[in-house]
Amino acid sequence: SQQGEEDPQALSIQEGENATMNCSYKTSINNLQWYRQNSGRGLVHLILIRSNEREKHSGRLRVTLDTSKKSSSLLITASRAADTASYFCATDRGTGNQFYFGTGTSLTVIP
Amino acid sequence: DAMVIQNPRYQVTQFGKPVTLSCSQTLNHNVMYWYQQKSSQAPKLLFHYYDKDFNNEADTPDNFQSRRPNTSFCFLDIRSPGLGDAAMYLCATSRDLGVGEETQYFGPGTRLLVL
Repeated sequence: SQQGEEDPQALSIQEGENATMNCSYKTSINNLQWYRQNSGRGLVHLILIRSNEREKHSGRLRVTLDTSKKSSSLLITASRAADTASYFCATDRGTGNQFYFGTGTSLTVIP
Repeated sequence: DAMVIQNPRYQVTQFGKPVTLSCSQTLNHNVMYWYQQKSSQAPKLLFHYYDKDFNNEADTPDNFQSRRPNTSFCFLDIRSPGLGDAAMYLCATSRDLGVGEETQYFGPGTRLLVL
């Protein structure tokens, strides 16, 4: 399978703590994206990091990319109950408009 | 607001009875996708349209078909639904920028139940 693997599969933290989730993938990429999915809903794009970038920030989100290890991490700082969702990484297939989604991390933030 | 709309949100069908799921977009994106997502799993790409060009995934069963009559609409037809086809079906769009940085915009999904 070309899908990425994410760990942990599930993560439960207290509000205010930081949450870190990791994504590993198998093939060379042009970019890696992170998406969020609230229960029973569609996915929402969070952030894109290019293969020549090592770190990117967007608000409370920090994404890192290590192409030598074929891995990425998503850090959510100062988590809130509203951050409770599943988070998926997605890697391009080199064609620009097709993606492989990782297996996802289910995050629960306890108020 | 520009968006991706899926109807219905919930669809119940009978084993073997054809069913059609609908997706429309106001984003004027040239690429449209259909994904199948089973519980606690990653979205699995079934096929996508690049403008009018249909691109099927190699492992998508023949039972699944799609139509895109115009830029705005795309349909997923399941010819003979089986119990294993019960899932969330997600429609997504993207604008091909030609630079490998396309992001996808997802609809809310249609949850299909097969009885």
